[in-house]
Amino acid sequence: DAGVTQSPTHLIKTRGQHVTLRCSPISGHKSVSWYQQVLGQGPQFIFQYYEKEERGRGNFPDRFSARQFPNYSSELNVNALLLGDSALYLCASSLSSGNEQFFGPGTRLTVL
Amino acid sequence: AQRVTQPEKLLSVFKGAPVELKCNYSYSGSPELFWYVQYSRQRLQLLLRHISRESIKGFTADLNKGETSFHLKKPFAQEEDSAMYYCALEAHDYKLSFGAGTTVTVRA
Repeated sequence: DAGVTQSPTHLIKTRGQHVTLRCSPISGHKSVSWYQQVLGQGPQFIFQYYEKEERGRGNFPDRFSARQFPNYSSELNVNALLLGDSALYLCASSLSSGNEQFFGPGTRLTVL
Repeated sequence: AQRVTQPEKLLSVFKGAPVELKCNYSYSGSPELFWYVQYSRQRLQLLLRHISRESIKGFTADLNKGETSFHLKKPFAQEEDSAMYYCALEAHDYKLSFGAGTTVTVRA
Protein backbone atom coordinates (compact mmCIF):
# COMPACT_ATOMS: atom_id res chain seq x y z
CA ASP A 1 0.00 0.00 0.00
CA ALA A 2 1.39 3.39 -1.02
CA GLY A 3 -0.20 5.05 1.94
CA VAL A 4 -2.40 8.10 1.63
CA THR A 5 -2.08 9.68 -1.80
CA GLN A 6 -2.96 13.22 -2.81
CA SER A 7 -3.22 14.93 -6.15
CA PRO A 8 -2.03 17.14 -7.56
CA THR A 9 1.35 17.58 -5.88
CA HIS A 10 1.28 21.29 -6.43
CA LEU A 11 -0.67 23.83 -8.43
CA ILE A 12 -0.87 27.51 -9.08
CA LYS A 13 -4.14 29.44 -9.30
CA THR A 14 -5.15 33.07 -9.51
CA ARG A 15 -7.42 34.98 -7.17
CA GLY A 16 -11.10 34.28 -7.69
CA GLN A 17 -10.60 30.85 -9.24
CA HIS A 18 -11.68 27.62 -7.64
CA VAL A 19 -9.66 24.49 -6.95
CA THR A 20 -10.33 20.82 -6.27
CA LEU A 21 -7.87 18.73 -4.32
CA ARG A 22 -8.10 14.95 -4.15
CA CYS A 23 -7.19 12.36 -1.55
CA SER A 24 -7.16 8.57 -1.60
CA PRO A 25 -7.04 6.96 1.84
CA ILE A 26 -5.21 3.84 2.88
CA SER A 27 -7.17 0.76 1.89
CA GLY A 28 -9.68 -0.10 4.61
CA HIS A 29 -9.69 3.38 6.13
CA LYS A 30 -13.13 4.95 6.25
CA SER A 31 -12.30 8.35 7.73
CA VAL A 32 -10.59 11.23 5.93
CA SER A 33 -9.56 14.56 7.43
CA TRP A 34 -8.31 17.70 5.70
CA TYR A 35 -5.85 20.22 7.12
CA GLN A 36 -4.40 23.53 5.94
CA GLN A 37 -0.79 24.27 6.82
CA VAL A 38 0.43 27.79 6.27
CA LEU A 39 4.18 28.34 6.26
CA GLY A 40 5.57 28.46 9.78
CA GLN A 41 2.44 27.12 11.45
CA GLY A 42 1.07 23.75 12.40
CA PRO A 43 -1.70 22.07 10.42
CA GLN A 44 -5.18 23.53 10.96
CA PHE A 45 -8.20 21.26 10.89
CA ILE A 46 -10.67 21.91 8.06
CA PHE A 47 -12.97 18.88 7.79
CA GLN A 48 -13.39 15.30 8.84
CA TYR A 49 -15.51 12.77 6.98
CA TYR A 50 -16.47 9.29 8.09
CA GLU A 51 -18.57 6.91 6.04
CA LYS A 52 -19.34 9.72 3.61
CA GLU A 53 -20.76 12.00 6.29
CA GLU A 54 -19.21 15.16 7.68
CA ARG A 55 -18.09 14.51 11.24
CA GLY A 56 -16.42 17.81 12.00
CA ARG A 57 -15.70 21.22 10.55
CA GLY A 58 -13.03 23.72 11.54
CA ASN A 59 -13.19 27.51 11.49
CA PHE A 60 -13.05 28.00 7.74
CA PRO A 61 -15.40 30.04 5.55
CA ASP A 62 -18.11 28.48 3.42
CA ARG A 63 -15.82 28.83 0.41
CA PHE A 64 -14.31 25.58 1.66
CA SER A 65 -16.29 22.42 1.09
CA ALA A 66 -15.55 18.74 0.88
CA ARG A 67 -17.12 15.40 0.21
CA GLN A 68 -16.32 11.73 0.54
CA PHE A 69 -17.16 9.16 -2.08
CA PRO A 70 -18.41 5.55 -1.71
CA ASN A 71 -14.83 4.30 -2.15
CA TYR A 72 -13.84 6.61 0.76
CA SER A 73 -11.71 8.91 -1.38
CA SER A 74 -12.32 12.58 -0.80
CA GLU A 75 -12.26 15.96 -2.49
CA LEU A 76 -11.64 19.36 -0.97
CA ASN A 77 -13.04 22.29 -2.92
CA VAL A 78 -12.15 25.92 -2.42
CA ASN A 79 -14.07 28.64 -4.27
CA ALA A 80 -13.22 32.29 -4.86
CA LEU A 81 -9.57 31.78 -3.99
CA LEU A 82 -7.77 34.42 -1.96
CA LEU A 83 -4.05 35.04 -1.64
CA GLY A 84 -4.31 33.81 1.95
CA ASP A 85 -5.43 30.38 0.77
CA SER A 86 -1.87 29.69 -0.36
CA ALA A 87 -0.77 26.78 1.80
CA LEU A 88 0.03 23.10 1.98
CA TYR A 89 -3.19 21.08 2.15
CA LEU A 90 -2.85 17.80 3.98
CA CYS A 91 -5.13 14.83 3.91
CA ALA A 92 -5.10 12.15 6.60
CA SER A 93 -6.94 8.87 6.79
CA SER A 94 -7.81 6.61 9.69
CA LEU A 95 -9.81 3.45 10.27
CA SER A 96 -12.49 5.52 11.94
CA SER A 97 -12.80 8.71 13.92
CA GLY A 98 -10.46 8.72 16.90
CA ASN A 99 -7.96 6.26 15.47
CA GLU A 100 -4.39 7.10 14.47
CA GLN A 101 -4.32 9.40 11.46
CA PHE A 102 -1.94 8.69 8.58
CA PHE A 103 -0.96 11.72 6.55
CA GLY A 104 -0.45 12.15 2.85
CA PRO A 105 2.37 14.18 1.28
CA GLY A 106 0.16 17.20 0.78
CA THR A 107 -0.81 19.46 -2.11
CA ARG A 108 1.02 22.78 -2.31
CA LEU A 109 -1.42 25.48 -3.49
CA THR A 110 -0.13 28.86 -4.57
CA VAL A 111 -2.63 31.64 -5.26
CA LEU A 112 -1.34 34.58 -7.29
CA ALA B 1 -12.13 25.90 22.21
CA GLN B 2 -8.91 23.96 22.47
CA ARG B 3 -5.46 25.45 22.03
CA VAL B 4 -1.97 23.98 21.85
CA THR B 5 1.13 26.07 22.53
CA GLN B 6 4.70 25.12 21.73
CA PRO B 7 6.79 28.00 23.06
CA GLU B 8 10.04 27.07 21.29
CA LYS B 9 10.26 27.43 17.53
CA LEU B 10 13.84 26.19 17.40
CA LEU B 11 15.80 23.87 19.66
CA SER B 12 19.43 22.97 19.16
CA VAL B 13 21.20 20.31 21.24
CA PHE B 14 24.39 18.31 21.04
CA LYS B 15 24.35 14.60 20.32
CA GLY B 16 24.07 12.66 23.57
CA ALA B 17 22.53 15.57 25.48
CA PRO B 18 18.99 15.46 26.87
CA VAL B 19 16.26 17.16 24.89
CA GLU B 20 12.89 18.41 26.08
CA LEU B 21 10.20 19.91 23.87
CA LYS B 22 7.54 21.87 25.69
CA CYS B 23 3.83 21.66 24.98
CA ASN B 24 1.02 23.33 26.88
CA TYR B 25 -2.65 23.01 26.13
CA SER B 26 -5.99 24.49 27.06
CA TYR B 27 -9.13 22.39 26.84
CA SER B 28 -12.16 22.18 29.06
CA GLY B 29 -12.64 18.44 28.69
CA SER B 30 -10.41 15.41 29.06
CA PRO B 31 -7.87 15.66 26.25
CA GLU B 32 -6.14 13.09 24.11
CA LEU B 33 -2.63 14.30 23.37
CA PHE B 34 -0.16 13.34 20.71
CA TRP B 35 3.28 14.12 19.41
CA TYR B 36 3.75 14.06 15.65
CA VAL B 37 7.11 14.23 13.89
CA GLN B 38 8.14 15.21 10.39
CA TYR B 39 11.60 14.21 9.24
CA SER B 40 13.19 15.95 6.28
CA ARG B 41 11.34 15.13 3.05
CA GLN B 42 8.98 12.74 4.82
CA ARG B 43 5.34 12.83 5.77
CA LEU B 44 3.95 13.90 9.07
CA GLN B 45 3.71 10.81 11.26
CA LEU B 46 2.58 9.91 14.73
CA LEU B 47 5.41 9.62 17.27
CA LEU B 48 3.44 8.79 20.38
CA ARG B 49 0.10 9.29 22.11
CA HIS B 50 -0.36 9.70 25.82
CA ILE B 51 -2.90 6.91 26.30
CA SER B 52 -0.49 4.28 25.00
CA ARG B 53 2.17 5.25 27.57
CA GLU B 54 4.82 3.86 25.22
CA SER B 55 8.38 4.97 24.69
CA ILE B 56 9.01 5.41 20.98
CA LYS B 57 12.56 5.89 19.66
CA GLY B 58 13.58 6.69 23.23
CA PHE B 59 11.04 9.51 23.57
CA THR B 60 8.53 9.74 26.39
CA ALA B 61 5.85 12.26 27.22
CA ASP B 62 3.90 12.64 30.43
CA LEU B 63 0.52 14.26 30.64
CA ASN B 64 0.38 16.70 33.55
CA LYS B 65 -3.22 17.78 33.93
CA GLY B 66 -2.41 20.17 36.77
CA GLU B 67 0.04 22.12 34.63
CA THR B 68 -1.85 21.32 31.39
CA SER B 69 1.38 20.19 29.81
CA PHE B 70 2.56 17.29 27.66
CA HIS B 71 6.30 17.78 27.30
CA LEU B 72 8.34 15.42 25.11
CA LYS B 73 11.65 14.17 26.47
CA LYS B 74 14.58 12.07 25.41
CA PRO B 75 17.60 11.51 27.68
CA PHE B 76 20.21 11.18 24.92
CA ALA B 77 19.53 12.93 21.62
CA GLN B 78 20.73 11.35 18.37
CA GLU B 79 21.43 13.04 15.04
CA GLU B 80 18.51 11.18 13.47
CA ASP B 81 16.19 12.97 15.92
CA SER B 82 16.63 16.19 13.94
CA ALA B 83 13.13 16.97 12.68
CA MET B 84 10.04 19.12 13.15
CA TYR B 85 7.92 18.08 16.12
CA TYR B 86 4.25 18.97 16.61
CA CYS B 87 2.18 18.57 19.72
CA ALA B 88 -1.50 17.92 19.03
CA LEU B 89 -4.72 17.64 21.01
CA GLU B 90 -7.81 15.69 20.00
CA ALA B 91 -11.06 17.03 21.39
CA HIS B 92 -14.20 15.00 22.06
CA ASP B 93 -15.43 15.79 18.54
CA TYR B 94 -12.30 14.24 17.01
CA LYS B 95 -10.93 17.60 15.85
CA LEU B 96 -7.14 17.51 15.99
CA SER B 97 -5.49 20.80 16.95
CA PHE B 98 -1.77 21.23 16.36
CA GLY B 99 0.78 23.52 17.90
CA ALA B 100 3.03 25.65 15.70
CA GLY B 101 5.84 23.10 15.90
CA THR B 102 9.43 22.98 17.18
CA THR B 103 12.37 22.40 14.87
CA VAL B 104 14.98 20.27 16.58
CA THR B 105 18.57 20.19 15.39
CA VAL B 106 20.94 17.70 16.94
CA ARG B 107 24.58 18.65 16.38
CA ALA B 108 27.43 16.16 16.33
